Amino acid sequence: DGGITQSPKYLFRKEGQNVTLSCEQNLNHDAMYWYRQDPGQGLRLIYYSQIVNDFQKGDIAEGYSVSREKKESFPLTVTSAQKNPTAFYLCASSSTGYGEQYFGPGTRLTVT
Amino acid sequence: SQQGEEDPQALSIQEGENATMNCSYKTSINNLQWYRQNSGRGLVHLILIRSNEREKHSGRLRVTLDTSKKSSSLLITASRAADTASYFCATDSGSARQLTFGSGTQLTVLP
Repeated sequence: DGGITQSPKYLFRKEGQNVTLSCEQNLNHDAMYWYRQDPGQGLRLIYYSQIVNDFQKGDIAEGYSVSREKKESFPLTVTSAQKNPTAFYLCASSSTGYGEQYFGPGTRLTVT
Repeated sequence: SQQGEEDPQALSIQEGENATMNCSYKTSINNLQWYRQNSGRGLVHLILIRSNEREKHSGRLRVTLDTSKKSSSLLITASRAADTASYFCATDSGSARQLTFGSGTQLTVLP
């Protein structure tokens, strides 16, 4: 099956801890993206990567970090510097960066 | 910042009726896309319309684009209960190679 997987589906952390969200794709896509979604809201771009070993900040990158060491993987770390980390996090990929994006099922992060 | 804004924020209709959602955006675009999101799930791509196109169809979906008014509409004909979801427009505005999403329309189709 081709697609994007995110793990885990639900994640609980204590305030002050860093946490890493996994995103893997086997679609052979060059571009990958991380979005944050708050209740009743649209998606806001955190980071994106167009090729391996390269990534750019999106609209709300503060308190987050990413890496792109392999084409199929784009993990997101939510650091303790992120003031309000509780949210639904979505990963996506795209073959060109201009067309449709394919989304993973999301990870719901709760920080208490 | 969000480029697209959907209208209405919420829409409730009976099964079999048509549903129309609108999207307005602020800057010039290369293309505009519509996505569907079922509750608690990832987004699913529905349709892409390029800036030089005015109308596009896909099954029960009809999308129009008016670049002079910077607006688009999504029409779902003969709606079904399974169409209940949130619908988002997303704009591709050029060299940044990223999409900007609107805040979505929550559609409820009553059986």
